[in-house]
Amino acid sequence: DAGVIQSPRHEVTEMGQEVTLRCKPISGHDYLFWYRQTMMRGLELLIYFNNNVPIDDSGMPEDRFSAKMPNASFSTLKIQPSEPRDSAVYFCASSFSTDRGGYGYTFGSGTRLTVV
Amino acid sequence: SQQGEEDPQALSIQEGENATMNCSYKTSINNLQWYRQNSGRGLVHLILIRSNEREKHSGRLRVTLDTSKKSSSLLITASRAADTASYFCATVDYGNNRLAFGKGNQVVVIP
Repeated sequence: DAGVIQSPRHEVTEMGQEVTLRCKPISGHDYLFWYRQTMMRGLELLIYFNNNVPIDDSGMPEDRFSAKMPNASFSTLKIQPSEPRDSAVYFCASSFSTDRGGYGYTFGSGTRLTVV
Repeated sequence: SQQGEEDPQALSIQEGENATMNCSYKTSINNLQWYRQNSGRGLVHLILIRSNEREKHSGRLRVTLDTSKKSSSLLITASRAADTASYFCATVDYGNNRLAFGKGNQVVVIP
């Protein structure tokens, strides 16, 4: 398996533009997570899905952020409009449910977003 | 949700020495996990310990869990320069699958 695949690796955009981050989880994993990492706030859970259904989006900073998972092999995180404070590294991760063995989460390589 | 809190924040050791990091948490957990992150890279899962386990080993890694004190430690034995990275503990509560991270320990192993 190629692991969790995120695209793009780097994104530089101007303030006010729409940004879409993409994630392909590991086949067979039934959970998908979006995290954001900054120096100031560390790793923050934004939202997670179980079987393609959003379970908890309480970490989504505001209405400018939205996430979808149209099928088991694809998810997007969209920021519209983007702001400089959204600059961060965004990680996608997937896993089996803890009841099925708790093998830990597999993280993608992340998307480094810079909003200027 | 609660987050693990690692201690110390930064550690610099000589190659061959052991490195120990501690983590505390605040609520009842299903399991606790440790991850490594190399600079500019994603997180790599190292080891998972369940709430009914007290100690676990994986290669040069040893993890302990004390649920009465709500704390965990990660020991890396015979450290190598390649172990230089940030190490995060993260917890999963009962009833959900949220992984809540602490702020991380920066470990530098000097060759």
